[in-house]
Amino acid sequence: SQTIHQWPATLVQPVGSPLSLECTVEGTSNPNLYWYRQAAGRGLQLLFYSVGIGQISSEVPQNLSASRPQDRQFILSSKKLLLSDSGFYLCAWSPGTEGNQPQHFGDGTRLSIL
Amino acid sequence: TQLLEQSPQFLSIQEGENLTVYCNSSSVFSSLQWYRQEPGEGPVLLVTVVTGGEVKKLKRLTFQFGDARKDSSLHITAAQPGDTGLYLCAGPPKLGSQGNLIFGKGTKLSVKP
Repeated sequence: SQTIHQWPATLVQPVGSPLSLECTVEGTSNPNLYWYRQAAGRGLQLLFYSVGIGQISSEVPQNLSASRPQDRQFILSSKKLLLSDSGFYLCAWSPGTEGNQPQHFGDGTRLSIL
Repeated sequence: TQLLEQSPQFLSIQEGENLTVYCNSSSVFSSLQWYRQEPGEGPVLLVTVVTGGEVKKLKRLTFQFGDARKDSSLHITAAQPGDTGLYLCAGPPKLGSQGNLIFGKGTKLSVKP
């Protein structure tokens, strides 16, 4: 069966520090991968998605970047964090085909910027 | 721009009560998905509805897709504290979705014992 791992679960970082959040998927090949941010337990804001290695699409211009160095690895990064980067970050995967495919989420990273 | 609007935003009820939450759009969706998210966790898929007018049941949860495929509802019978969470609806956008989904902002349900 497929599993998705996201870490760390919580992170407290000072303003201006770098960031690296990692997400890996097991049990499937060539998945679509997604990074979302969720504010205050509300809706999901899509940040980045990837349909293959090295292919990253950005949905919202911001202080963050994403990379996909391997088929089942997705990394969210920042060189200098801002206070506004605080939030709950979720990674998700779906089968690498279009259509009515559900997304499967990791347990998220709670990021607090001080 | 396709949007999914969910109502109500918040709902607090007593154990044993029935409730309905809604997911509406002015656009047609090929399908809609419902997720439940518990605090500190990622959303988990409950159901996908595909056919206009379709009704799906998952124990005490009943999901309906509107005939015109522009709206969906989730009805919970005899709610329990374990039903507490954020309920999100989502659907694929019309063009070039590449697996992307449009999410509503959710209904936050609290069921008190």
